[in-house]
Amino acid sequence: AQKITQTQPGMFVQEKEAVTLDCTYDTSDPSYGLFWYKQPSSGEMIFLIYQGSYDQQNATEGRYSLNFQKARKSANLVISASQLGDSAMYFCAMESRPYNNDMRFGAGTRLTVKP
Amino acid sequence: DTEVTQTPKHLVMGMTNKKSLKCEQHMGHRAMYWYKQKAKKPPELMFVYSYEKLSINESVPSRFSPECPNSSLLNLHLHALQPEDSALYLCASSQTSGRFPGELFFGEGSRLTVL
Repeated sequence: AQKITQTQPGMFVQEKEAVTLDCTYDTSDPSYGLFWYKQPSSGEMIFLIYQGSYDQQNATEGRYSLNFQKARKSANLVISASQLGDSAMYFCAMESRPYNNDMRFGAGTRLTVKP
Repeated sequence: DTEVTQTPKHLVMGMTNKKSLKCEQHMGHRAMYWYKQKAKKPPELMFVYSYEKLSINESVPSRFSPECPNSSLLNLHLHALQPEDSALYLCASSQTSGRFPGELFFGEGSRLTVL
């Protein structure tokens, strides 16, 4: 089974600055999908960004970008111009093969944005 | 507003009770999921239904019994639970084709307390 590792339990960032949240993964499948989700204190899980293992370019969605380094098996999330509303738990997740419906999550990183 | 609706939002039950959690989506998604999330932990995959058939069962104790009556509904029947089963139970759905394979749409969760 796939394994996802997030080694930063908590991170702090100043408002308007950029922050990188780390994620490494391990899988034997050549085709897989990597995701980032945000979970505010209210509890809902919000999809942020997706990277397919065969995608040539790093994914971007607005202020979110994914720094995908396939050889290093890392998929770090970069949030630019942090806002107070970005304070939340962030989970890296992985699906072993596209549409395999087996999404599993890393331990998460709690991001706090300081004014 | 989330497009995946979970009821009830809160449930308190004794160890001898029988109760059910319900989940509904009308996005035409054919994969539906149950996750369990303890406080300050990531969601843990419990069950997945694909095209109304159980495709993944993560060795969940039999006191949890999933049911998928049709493509829009997902139930989780609870019987003889233990206090350690107290958690947030998240329902999710996903497409089986599209731009972001496996992107999960989550409900707001049902917070279960077992006394």
